[in-house]
Amino acid sequence: RKEVEQDPGPFNVPEGATVAFNCTYSNSASQSFFWYRQDCRKEPKLLMSVYSSGNEDGRFTAQLNRASQYISLLIRDSKLSDSATYLCVVTLAAGNKLTFGGGTRVLVKP
Amino acid sequence: DARVTQTPRDKVTEMGQEVTMRCQPILGHNTVFWYRQTMMQGLELLAYFRNRAPLDDSGMPKDRFSAEMPDATLATLKIQPSEPRDSAVYFCASGPTGTGIYNEQFFGPGTRLTVL
Repeated sequence: RKEVEQDPGPFNVPEGATVAFNCTYSNSASQSFFWYRQDCRKEPKLLMSVYSSGNEDGRFTAQLNRASQYISLLIRDSKLSDSATYLCVVTLAAGNKLTFGGGTRVLVKP
Repeated sequence: DARVTQTPRDKVTEMGQEVTMRCQPILGHNTVFWYRQTMMQGLELLAYFRNRAPLDDSGMPKDRFSAEMPDATLATLKIQPSEPRDSAVYFCASGPTGTGIYNEQFFGPGTRLTVL
């Protein structure tokens, strides 16, 4: 079983719609959680950190469920520019080593 | 605007040749990471350094890969001899020491390696 698992998608989303997807992690000792975004043929970039209480950044909302060991990302009012691969990232508190999921591809269409 | 730089951006080589990839981390960052990304495996950590010392290189095939930090401004990843299965995008990333929000890593643009 992979440490961090994601539905690869693609999620085909009409422009303006809401899309949500999850990521599960296997190590219950994981402490820090992030969503990174990767555009086609580009490097990954941090989208947002995921806090225990959940957090929102504009149209993006991230949630953490420690009991079930998953994090989620919700995108409201999807824009064409939201089309990308979203990488779930988990790390232990002891250091900076990040473990990446395989990514969920989102395609926003007009 | 501080960025991680990588050279070369693209490299095509023949099987058996040596390949050296270079990375300049963001000034002041003391952790440096090498990743490999393929369609099949996704993003895999190969090695990482803190304060130029290797902390973990368990993800790296030791027989042909080597990673070093000759100084704080340069990290290298070498493959010798290269094989077609090494074809991938190799990313370097750097980050400040710390936990929580300070775990953000800043990625370079990557080196796209093709081994024929």
